[in-house]
Amino acid sequence: NAGVTQTPKFQVLKTGQSMTLQCAQDMNHNSMYWYRQDPGMGLRLIYYSASEGTTDKGEVPNGYNVSRLNKREFSLRLESAAPSQTSVYFCASTPGRGVYNEQFFGPGTRLTVL
Amino acid sequence: GESVGLHLPTLSVQEGDNSIINCAYSNSASDYFIWYKQESGKGPQFIIDIRSNMDKRQGQRVTVLLNKTVKHLSLQIAATQPGDSAVYFCAETFGNYGGSQGNLIFGKGTKLSVKP
Repeated sequence: NAGVTQTPKFQVLKTGQSMTLQCAQDMNHNSMYWYRQDPGMGLRLIYYSASEGTTDKGEVPNGYNVSRLNKREFSLRLESAAPSQTSVYFCASTPGRGVYNEQFFGPGTRLTVL
Repeated sequence: GESVGLHLPTLSVQEGDNSIINCAYSNSASDYFIWYKQESGKGPQFIIDIRSNMDKRQGQRVTVLLNKTVKHLSLQIAATQPGDSAVYFCAETFGNYGGSQGNLIFGKGTKLSVKP
């Protein structure tokens, strides 16, 4: 099993450009998450999907949209990138829908917005 | 608002010594805690978790202690090895945080450096 995979690994955008970060998991997990990690800070939740067909906002959703394409895939879209969105983005998944679940993380996408 | 923080941003230990990484949480309603390890350039990796109905849990070379009275969490690593060098995050969650189960609140992290 590959676990959680993310593409691309690195990306540089100009202000105003758009892009989609892809995430896929092959563990048959129900819940998936998108986080951002800024230097010296912990991870902050952007959006999550508790199950296929549902998405909800996390702590910092402004400037982002998500799509739970199917059970495996959960994408994050930046419609008009801003320098404040320069960060490392992590996707994660958990087996169940409840609270007491370990989250499995992908390797991250390093995004720079100029 | 609720927050998870760490007492020390950096910790340097000698190989073979025991390491203790501390974490304070502010929400007394938090009922599930996780420690993650993040190596440079990689995603966080689960180490160990503990529920609020426990005060201690042991894994392989790691022990998590939970003191609900003072809202404190610690991670103990026995016989620290160079491969343990990483940033360690604690995370908490509680019931229907924001109406959503399973959403973790992460601390800022402690960087552990192991000297050979």
